[in-house]
Amino acid sequence: SQQGEEDPQALSIQEGENATMNCSYKTSINNLQWYRQNSGRGLVHLILIRSNEREKHSGRLRVTLDTSKKSSSLLITASRAADTASYFCATKAGGTSYGKLTFGQGTILTVHP
Amino acid sequence: GAVVSQHPSRVICKSGTSVKIECRSLDFQATTMFWYRQFPKQSLMLMATSNEGSKATYEQGVEKDKFLINHASLTLSTLTVTSAHPEDSSFYICSAATSGGQETQYFGPGTRLLVL
Repeated sequence: SQQGEEDPQALSIQEGENATMNCSYKTSINNLQWYRQNSGRGLVHLILIRSNEREKHSGRLRVTLDTSKKSSSLLITASRAADTASYFCATKAGGTSYGKLTFGQGTILTVHP
Repeated sequence: GAVVSQHPSRVICKSGTSVKIECRSLDFQATTMFWYRQFPKQSLMLMATSNEGSKATYEQGVEKDKFLINHASLTLSTLTVTSAHPEDSSFYICSAATSGGQETQYFGPGTRLLVL
């Protein structure tokens, strides 16, 4: 399996519900980032969590990081139809001198109005 | 702030021709730019990392003679797909970062390449 695996691969929910996506990785990291991609578009940076942080919030987003389990989760609360997109986690390995990111396979989130 | 543009957004070319894709950081100086490739319904795969004024570092399996990268200034990097073939058809995305990319990378909107 690859660095930055995500589950579920696809998630379908109703507007107003919460959406939780998980990401696992294998090697030590400097930070972990979550991105959003609308169909056929570029990536939008959502949130970055450093290896010494355990939880971070940004608006309706909550990210947790468990370095002992090498996993992270992204929670979107009170989802909206506009949240429909693909969500990717990306890890920056520890000890590297430049910002190479390794992306997970992504979770396709569909929020039904 | 932190806007990255790509040009063109879509390109269709004949097999055997070369295609150049530009990546520009519009409101900041990018010491490092990254080029990714994304196939439909798949994740992004890093192709190469370019630092201004130096040769690009290519990932394993990426042909440097086929994917020419030039990072001539702090706001512009170009990717040239030489002698393109149908299997090169993909979505190419660049990102730009300051400080060697230690923190956030800012992504361009992507370029859809279709080789006939």
